[in-house]
Amino acid sequence: GAGVSQSPSNKVTEKGKDVELRCDPISGHTALYWYRQSLGQGLEFLIYFQGNSAPDKSGLPSDRFSAERTGGSVSTLTIQRTQQEDSAVYLCASSLAGTAQGTIYFGEGSWLTVV
Amino acid sequence: QQQVKQSPQSLIVQKGGISIINCAYENTAFDYFPWYQQFPGKGPALLIAIRPDVSEKKEGRFTISFNKSAKQFSLHIMDSQPGDSATYFCAASMFGNEKLTFGTGTRLTIIP
Repeated sequence: GAGVSQSPSNKVTEKGKDVELRCDPISGHTALYWYRQSLGQGLEFLIYFQGNSAPDKSGLPSDRFSAERTGGSVSTLTIQRTQQEDSAVYLCASSLAGTAQGTIYFGEGSWLTVV
Repeated sequence: QQQVKQSPQSLIVQKGGISIINCAYENTAFDYFPWYQQFPGKGPALLIAIRPDVSEKKEGRFTISFNKSAKQFSLHIMDSQPGDSATYFCAASMFGNEKLTFGTGTRLTIIP
């Protein structure tokens, strides 16, 4: 596709359930990021993948959050035992240069609501 | 805690006026300062960015002013248009760290 693709665009889940959010980066982009955007807040860094290097997981808020990137392309963010405070827009981004100091392309996000 | 503080939270400007959004940072190791524009239902998009070796960068109607000693930078939108109505985020990063630290955003509304 032409841009970063995320699915689902909207997800409503019950507290305690697990959810998976998918990101398909721009073809050829080696770097992939996950950010979280809560209402009235800025974007919060979650995790960064670059090629075959070990991911930077320093932003994951708890061990209920995990992410993987298969084959250097598609990424899945998994939230286990969801809580109401997990409600947010989860944004995926990718870049060609593999640096935050270049153009990073964001997807439209997955809007998660935990009820 | 690395922080970027952004103000105002919301801003209403008349068409043709100048929109000004301000950000302040604490970490002097930051060396890259981008601004992102986000329309409802869309992801943020890079608008303009500056490094601390210059005090100003202009691209069309958008200008970043940077004050290294004050640890502040601002976005100026000249001749503001209704199509500029969006949420704007400032951000900062340091070389070698792939994390962007974002401000909390400014919702800009341009009225006719």
